[in-house]
Amino acid sequence: DGGITQSPKYLFRKEGQNVTLSCEQNLNHDAMYWYRQDPGQGLRLIYYSQIVNDFQKGDIAEGYSVSREKKESFPLTVTSAQKNPTAFYLCASRLAGADEQFFGPGTRLTVL
Amino acid sequence: GESVGLHLPTLSVQEGDNSIINCAYSNSASDYFIWYKQESGKGPQFIIDIRSNMDKRQGQRVTVLLNKTVKHLSLQIAATQPGDSAVYFCAEKAETSYDKVIFGPGTSLSVIP
Repeated sequence: DGGITQSPKYLFRKEGQNVTLSCEQNLNHDAMYWYRQDPGQGLRLIYYSQIVNDFQKGDIAEGYSVSREKKESFPLTVTSAQKNPTAFYLCASRLAGADEQFFGPGTRLTVL
Repeated sequence: GESVGLHLPTLSVQEGDNSIINCAYSNSASDYFIWYKQESGKGPQFIIDIRSNMDKRQGQRVTVLLNKTVKHLSLQIAATQPGDSAVYFCAEKAETSYDKVIFGPGTSLSVIP
């Protein structure tokens, strides 16, 4: 089956710890994205990558880091510098030249 | 899209009735619009899209209407079913950028059996 997978579905972290969220796609899409979703708000862009080994900051990149070593993978690290990390995190991907972004199932991160 | 703080607008409809969900978009340069459906705890799913050279597009049980004059988008769902209960949000994108998509906060649709 083709699609985008995110793991884990639920993640708990203690304050002060870094945590990495996984995003994998087998759609052969070129661009990948990380969004944060908070209750009552639209999705906010954290980071995006148009090609391997290249990525750009989105609107709320502070406290987050990413890597794009492989076309199919775009992991997001939530660092201890992120002041309010509890949220629902969504990964998406897009084929070059196409408009539509396809979303993964999301990871809910809770900081205890 | 408009900001509504912590509480989403809610629309309750009777099963079998038609639903209309509205969205005000913000950028007059936007030329591509998408409606997504998001069920609780899941990722958004594509429903239907429309480009700015059109004012109406129909899919299976769904219709999107675009009014560029007032920067307004609507999603109509015919014969609403319990499985349609979800949050629906619009997204807009300008031709000049594939990566800068603006997402609205969404409307929560609740279908009464």
